[in-house]
Amino acid sequence: DIVMTQSPLSLPVTPGEPASISCRSSQSLLYTNGDNYLDWYLQKPGKSPQLLMYLGFKRASGVPDRFSGSGSGTDFTLKISRVEAEDVGTYYCMQALQGPRTFGQGTKVEIK
Amino acid sequence: QVQLQESGPGLVKPSETLSLTCTVSGGSITNYYWSWIRQPPGKGLEWIGYIYYTGSTDYNPSLKSRITISVDTSKNQFSLKLSSVTAADTAIYYCARHMTGRNPPLGYWGQGTLVTVSS
Repeated sequence: DIVMTQSPLSLPVTPGEPASISCRSSQSLLYTNGDNYLDWYLQKPGKSPQLLMYLGFKRASGVPDRFSGSGSGTDFTLKISRVEAEDVGTYYCMQALQGPRTFGQGTKVEIK
Repeated sequence: QVQLQESGPGLVKPSETLSLTCTVSGGSITNYYWSWIRQPPGKGLEWIGYIYYTGSTDYNPSLKSRITISVDTSKNQFSLKLSSVTAADTAIYYCARHMTGRNPPLGYWGQGTLVTVSS
């Protein structure tokens, strides 16, 4: 199975400031078509996870443009340009390239 | 707007079979992949498996020997059966719909249902 590793696991943030989460995979997620099969999900407190980004950098419908995704191969980053209070929760990356879908451990984002 | 709702017993005895159903509303179950994902209390997410509306499936190898996922297109539902459960299977179980395309992401999620394994 592809192992997904996120860092940091806990991220205190100040509203209005940027934030960044790293996700690394044990195998390249780059497919022969040029797409990286890496998704990002946000689970707000007490809620179900929701899709934020797919193919590494594509925002899901309704996701604010302060969220951006980047990276290729085994290294990926989710950035929030200016954190808002509603962004608190646990962020998960998930690989969708091959085998069983596997998630990172999650990064808990909370307001300082 | 597609909505998913999990249903089933909230308490299952050890060694018995966990059975859950996901009812889809606001859209058809056809032409999509549908997954089950679980989350032990306070822990991370684990993908269990998916089913296509035609009935083809793919399961997590770690659970494959105990899982059956089925679909009923006439009822717009799909189901999960997990046999020989133990306390380690206690979790919130989510059903979800994949988006379209190759290896699509999980675009719609149910609210989740907590299943506790205890005698």
